[in-house]
Amino acid sequence: EVQLVESGGGLVQPGGSLRLSCAASGFTFSSYWMTWVRQAPGEGLEWVAIIKPDGSEKYYVDSVKGRFTISRDNAKNSLHLQMNSLRAEDTAVYYCARDRLQHWGQGTLVTVSS
Amino acid sequence: DIVMTQTPLSLSATPGQPASISCKSSQSLLYSDGKTYLYWYLQKPGQPPQLLIYEVSNRFSGVPDRFSGSGSGTDFTLKISRVEAEDVGVYYCMQGRQVPWTFGQGTKVEIK
Repeated sequence: EVQLVESGGGLVQPGGSLRLSCAASGFTFSSYWMTWVRQAPGEGLEWVAIIKPDGSEKYYVDSVKGRFTISRDNAKNSLHLQMNSLRAEDTAVYYCARDRLQHWGQGTLVTVSS
Repeated sequence: DIVMTQTPLSLSATPGQPASISCKSSQSLLYSDGKTYLYWYLQKPGQPPQLLIYEVSNRFSGVPDRFSGSGSGTDFTLKISRVEAEDVGVYYCMQGRQVPWTFGQGTKVEIK
């Protein structure tokens, strides 16, 4: 069974940093593109970033370019999202998802507030 | 970026009756490999989204056959042949044709 478990969310002040992680199991992690999607409170879904299976290609939505970095550790079956220079508008539940979003984690809440 | 526009934004459905949601993209979602990268997701209350339909018309594993997808190019439709109470939630279309992948605004479905 595919399982994706996010962690690392919490309350952070504007301008601060946070690192999200996603632990994957139940599939060959190193074979799949992996994605982060976020959902602001009461809002719709926003695709954030994606990373190729070997980590050689990464793409981001414009609003996070230069601030967020997606990475992966295939030896540990883990996906990460390093978030720097956080803004109030980054407040959201962050989901990791496999490939074309066939499978999703339960999400981790990031709140950016002073 | 490709803009995805869903209609309606809310829908009150009668159990046992059909329902449909439209999704239009600002550019063709047909890729050079011949596939059309249009997806449908359902987010039930308090849950993460779940994939219903991939590449326009393919039901994901475990999805009931009352759900069907159709369309081509820039116009797509999700149909529920007979709505059930468990179908409540917000439905999203998404394009995976090019980054950034983009979602429609969502259609909230409630049961009468």
